[in-house]
Amino acid sequence: GQQLNQSPQSMFIQEGEDVSMNCTSSSIFNTWLWYKQEPGEGPVLLIALYKAGELTSNGRLTAQFGITRKDSFLNISASIPSDVGIYFCAGPSNSGYALNFGKGTSLLVTP
Amino acid sequence: DAGVIQSPRHEVTEMGQEVTLRCKPISGHNSLFWYRQTMMRGLELLIYFNNNVPIDDSGMPEDRFSAKMPNASFSTLKIQPSEPRDSAVYFCASSPLTGNQPQHFGDGTRLSIL
Repeated sequence: GQQLNQSPQSMFIQEGEDVSMNCTSSSIFNTWLWYKQEPGEGPVLLIALYKAGELTSNGRLTAQFGITRKDSFLNISASIPSDVGIYFCAGPSNSGYALNFGKGTSLLVTP
Repeated sequence: DAGVIQSPRHEVTEMGQEVTLRCKPISGHNSLFWYRQTMMRGLELLIYFNNNVPIDDSGMPEDRFSAKMPNASFSTLKIQPSEPRDSAVYFCASSPLTGNQPQHFGDGTRLSIL
């Protein structure tokens, strides 16, 4: 199946800094999803992208669907401690109904 | 609105015992997924149901794993007999449609097999 590579694997930043992470695919996607998982909870959908070049915001979060359709970016502006968690990108698998997930970017924010 | 509800939240049992994990999907969602999450392998799809029918169980690791969905509001994942390598967090997710529709996850069951 498709491989999703997320980077960086982890980030340790200070409150107020901006964060940028990305995800690349071995094949073309028509959907990109970004989830956040906090300790002891399940992944929660942050942003869904359905069109190449699409730029979508959700509060301080902004995600973009890459023009090549093989990558996506997630940016967090002015980070706060509650942004701590693991951020996953996901895209449709070859089956068309399941999702393939990246390995996640672990974000730590210090006050 | 209630999200996906999983039970139990935590399960600790000895190897060889039968384990049953339960899931109640979001009302009206006709697709249900069981995932397993480990540090080494991340999130892996185990099985997918559509309209209560198992469509793809190719991710189920062994015959020790089985899943059922007797109705639209309930699904179980059973491991029998359990082994220490089954220790992981098991998530259930549901979505209203197939294809590219985002999936909504429960809070998972953290399973530890001793």
